[in-house]
Amino acid sequence: GENVEQHPSTLSVQEGDSAVIKCTYSDSASNYFPWYKQELGKGPQLIIDIRSNVGEKKDQRIAVTLNKTAKHFSLHITETQPEDSAVYFCAASRGTGGFKTIFGAGTRLFVKA
Amino acid sequence: DVKVTQSSRYLVKRTGEKVFLECVQDMDHENMFWYRQDPGLGLRLIYFSYDVKMKEKGDIPEGYSVSREKKERFSLILESASTNQTSMYLCASSSVVRDRGINEQFFGPGTRLTVL
Repeated sequence: GENVEQHPSTLSVQEGDSAVIKCTYSDSASNYFPWYKQELGKGPQLIIDIRSNVGEKKDQRIAVTLNKTAKHFSLHITETQPEDSAVYFCAASRGTGGFKTIFGAGTRLFVKA
Repeated sequence: DVKVTQSSRYLVKRTGEKVFLECVQDMDHENMFWYRQDPGLGLRLIYFSYDVKMKEKGDIPEGYSVSREKKERFSLILESASTNQTSMYLCASSSVVRDRGINEQFFGPGTRLTVL
């Protein structure tokens, strides 16, 4: 079946450094790729998403890139801050008529002050 | 402020008990979802519903059932709880955007269920 692989499972960076999380997906019909951030004791919350007609999207310190040919996409966080510490999930889903979203296993990011 | 609420944050039940997890959203969303979250496995879809009284199986429906009698409420039912159903359960909802299919899901805070 469809799956999304996410790496690394744990990432530790120094405050101010960049963090990169990578995902690959198997379903070539996927065309919507959201990233969710889950803080302790809370449900996941969307931080950025990208659709397949776009190769890159940026929102302040976070950016996502998509390579549809290789079926992989990445999250980039620049100038990391302690409040960026959380679990991050990538996901992939199909477009119109598709209701299933496949999530990666998650990356626990630690930002050390 | 959009909101998805879940009836309990923590729940402890015994093997064989019938368990109800309730989820309510106030955004008038058509779609609602139940996931379970386990370390190293991410979020796995149990069931989803795209309309009142409609339901579709997700990837791991065995041992679970759902009910959607009203648009804002989606219930997950464990008919006879087992220890391997100890997990974090997350409810989510999303709207349907014409020609764009699925979009952002809004999650509740989760219910941590322990089955003894």
